[in-house]
Amino acid sequence: GAVVSQHPSWVICKSGTSVKIECRSLDFQATTMFWYRQFPKQSLMLMATSNEGSKATYEQGVEKDKFLINHASLTLSTLTVTSAHPEDSSFYICSARRTMTTGELFFGEGSRLTVL
Amino acid sequence: GQQVMQIPQYQHVQEGEDFTTYCNSSTTLSNIQWYKQRPGGHPVFLIQLVKSGEVKKQKRLTFQFGEAKKNSSLHITATQTTDVGTYFCACSYSGAGSYQLTFGKGTKLSVIP
Repeated sequence: GAVVSQHPSWVICKSGTSVKIECRSLDFQATTMFWYRQFPKQSLMLMATSNEGSKATYEQGVEKDKFLINHASLTLSTLTVTSAHPEDSSFYICSARRTMTTGELFFGEGSRLTVL
Repeated sequence: GQQVMQIPQYQHVQEGEDFTTYCNSSTTLSNIQWYKQRPGGHPVFLIQLVKSGEVKKQKRLTFQFGEAKKNSSLHITATQTTDVGTYFCACSYSGAGSYQLTFGKGTKLSVIP
């Protein structure tokens, strides 16, 4: 099956620094990727839809300036948590589809961010 | 907006017992998907249901889509320790943003050996 790779798997950073998380589709082109945030014992909260070559679409309540998304190519989307604070600590997961609108989502392995 | 309710939130079963999780939508669905997330892992696709009243089976797992396409269930027969994890339904709606999925809160299954 399709593989989506996410890097880094975990990161610890100091408050005030920025952290970049990469999401790559390894064997297919993904014009659209999705970024989620998952708190412990909770569901996946969609943060934004990343569109190749255009601006990301953010869900209500998600700060665009805080969570910068760049989808520079058909196989790579990045999420940058800017000026991270302890409340940004969470599990961030990306996903992608082979097709534009339907079919299963392939998830990355997730990135656990801890902000000290 | 669309609301997805998934119950129960937690389920503890003895190995060998059956398990069912239910997913209900406030509005009619285009299709529904089910995912499993093992502890410490990422969600993995299990199945997609599209047709009204559809029933699909994967070994000990049975998936149903309601006649009105507003609800779905996942049933596991004779649970095993390998079934441990959180099961999420993911709902797709027709119209704008139809490529997005709305996830239920998930049902965390614990299996006691």
